[in-house]
Amino acid sequence: KAGVTQTPRYLIKTRGQQVTLSCSPISGHRSVSWYQQTPGQGLQFLFEYFSETQRNKGNFPGRFSGRQFSNSRSEMNVSTLELGDSALYLCASSLAGRTTYEQYFGPGTRLTVT
Amino acid sequence: AQTVTQSQPEMSVQEAETVTLSCTYDTSESDYYLFWYKQPPSRQMILVIRQEAYKQQNATENRFSVNFQKAAKSFSLKISDSQLGDAAMYFCAFSQSGNTPLVFGKGTRLSVIA
Repeated sequence: KAGVTQTPRYLIKTRGQQVTLSCSPISGHRSVSWYQQTPGQGLQFLFEYFSETQRNKGNFPGRFSGRQFSNSRSEMNVSTLELGDSALYLCASSLAGRTTYEQYFGPGTRLTVT
Repeated sequence: AQTVTQSQPEMSVQEAETVTLSCTYDTSESDYYLFWYKQPPSRQMILVIRQEAYKQQNATENRFSVNFQKAAKSFSLKISDSQLGDAAMYFCAFSQSGNTPLVFGKGTRLSVIA
């Protein structure tokens, strides 16, 4: 079974621009979560989508948004990029069953804002 | 809010030896899940081991085992017969029962010395 895939793997953007990152979950997984990883703040939860609905949201400004499609693929968008948005963005998928909560991570997208 | 603390930013171990990584967490919940994730230089987060809080028996996966002390809110990872491929960042993570996001510790960088 193919793992979680993320595209692109690397991205360089200029401050003020916007960016869209994509995540394809493991086949059959209906939940997709996004995390931001930085050296200073560590791993922080951005949001989670389940069946095309945002189910959980972390403490990030409204410039960070996401969506999920009917095939469970997810995208996250960051508008008006700031230097502090430079980070590794990780996507994770899970079956999201009631008794298990095991997340499988993708390789990440390294975003650099200049 | 739940918090996860990893007090050892860096650790090293000789090849074939045993090392223990520490993790403590804070929660008022009684039902939850704990995880150890490994992130090698390739950046892909890999699930190493998981523990359900309602299970008294410590989880074991080959050379990896945990010491789960629920009353003390402690969840340490023991790696036996350390191998060069074990070198990575190790993250302890907490998830409240149900569909809630992972809360990560800051990580412990493990070096394996040949």
